[in-house]
Amino acid sequence: DGGITQSPKYLFRKEGQNVTLSCEQNLNHDAMYWYRQDPGQGLRLIYYSQIVNDFQKGDIAEGYSVSREKKESFPLTVTSAQKNPTAFYLCASSRMNVVAETQYFGPGTRLLVL
Amino acid sequence: KNEVEQSPQNLTAQEGEFITINCSYSVGISALHWLQQHPGGGIVSLFMLSSGKKKHGRLIATINIQEKHSSLHITASHPRDSAVYICAVPIEGGSQGNLIFGKGTKLSVKP
Repeated sequence: DGGITQSPKYLFRKEGQNVTLSCEQNLNHDAMYWYRQDPGQGLRLIYYSQIVNDFQKGDIAEGYSVSREKKESFPLTVTSAQKNPTAFYLCASSRMNVVAETQYFGPGTRLLVL
Repeated sequence: KNEVEQSPQNLTAQEGEFITINCSYSVGISALHWLQQHPGGGIVSLFMLSSGKKKHGRLIATINIQEKHSSLHITASHPRDSAVYICAVPIEGGSQGNLIFGKGTKLSVKP
């Protein structure tokens, strides 16, 4: 079955710690995205990648980093510089980063700070 | 900057009722997305439309480009329709595939 997987489902971070959220897709999509969702707010774009070895900052990139070494993988690292990391993180992909392309979402990772 | 407003924020209905969720946006767009977020958090794309109307089962999405408005209708609503429904449009001036999302409409259908 084609789709997007995210792991882990829940992640706990201690203060000062970097944590990495995994996102893998087997849809052969070029474009991938990371979103953050907070209660009562719309999804906000953290980073996106239009093609392997390339990525761009979204609206709220501060305190986050990404890599895109393989087409199918787009991990997100939440660094200690992100002062309010508690949120629901969603990864998505689309065939291309163009208008009128459907984005397919993973099941999400909920990050909690200890 | 494109803004996306959804109404209502919360909606409670009885099973079988006809549901309407509204989405307004502030600048011209070429496509609008409707998404469904399940209670567990997973998001599914329902529709992408640029004009007129699309129908899938009991779901109908309409868009009026001139009025910058879209509606999502659910006919014969069922408790399994309970979810958050999200409208999204392309970001103005941004990378073409990037979206800006509404805050969502939380629908609860009671049996």
